[in-house]
Amino acid sequence: AQRVTQPEKLLSVFKGAPVELKCNYSYSGSPELFWYVQYSRQRLQLLLRHISRESIKGFTADLNKGETSFHLKKPFAQEEDSAMYYCALKGSGGSNYKLTFGKGTLLTVNP
Amino acid sequence: EPEVTQTPSHQVTQMGQEVILRCVPISNHLYFYWYRQILGQKVEFLVSFYNNEISEKSEIFDDQFSVERPDGSNFTLKIRSTKLEDSAMYFCASTLFRDNYGYTFGSGTRLTVV
Repeated sequence: AQRVTQPEKLLSVFKGAPVELKCNYSYSGSPELFWYVQYSRQRLQLLLRHISRESIKGFTADLNKGETSFHLKKPFAQEEDSAMYYCALKGSGGSNYKLTFGKGTLLTVNP
Repeated sequence: EPEVTQTPSHQVTQMGQEVILRCVPISNHLYFYWYRQILGQKVEFLVSFYNNEISEKSEIFDDQFSVERPDGSNFTLKIRSTKLEDSAMYFCASTLFRDNYGYTFGSGTRLTVV
């Protein structure tokens, strides 16, 4: 079974502070991990894929298979980063191509 | 940048009525999905569709639900007889490849069953 856990429902930081949104997963095979962001009342937007090892809007995330984690980090948070962040896992092979989402973390960056 | 388009943005319907939610995926994408998000809860997978047939569905996707790609551009989700608990945000998504590729989501349809 695929499971994604985001332990923090809410996270509040001040502008310029580092931010880390936690994500842990459970999957027996080789997963693909994603971070999606949802700004107020807008669509889910793909932020990062672990496979591409990119940095988008200053965010990075590293897949740690030993700890089964894919935490999202940004060294200096900006007010425009305030949004809902969802970690998602996609399995591979057979019928496991669906995305399984975590419950999301609402990030608020205060001025 | 290409977008997935969903209509309507908000639909209110009476319990027991049929609703059809419409989606126009990105034109060259091959895999299509419906997800839903009940208020305050996480985004849940409903169904995936490829090559004009359902490739996977969740336990939520019972006989009351059906999907169709009637004309090569639209992708619809039909709920035959809506229940109060069907009230949710429904998201359509599409992707070109199943592996190593993110999904593009639509902006969602908020369904309210009264």
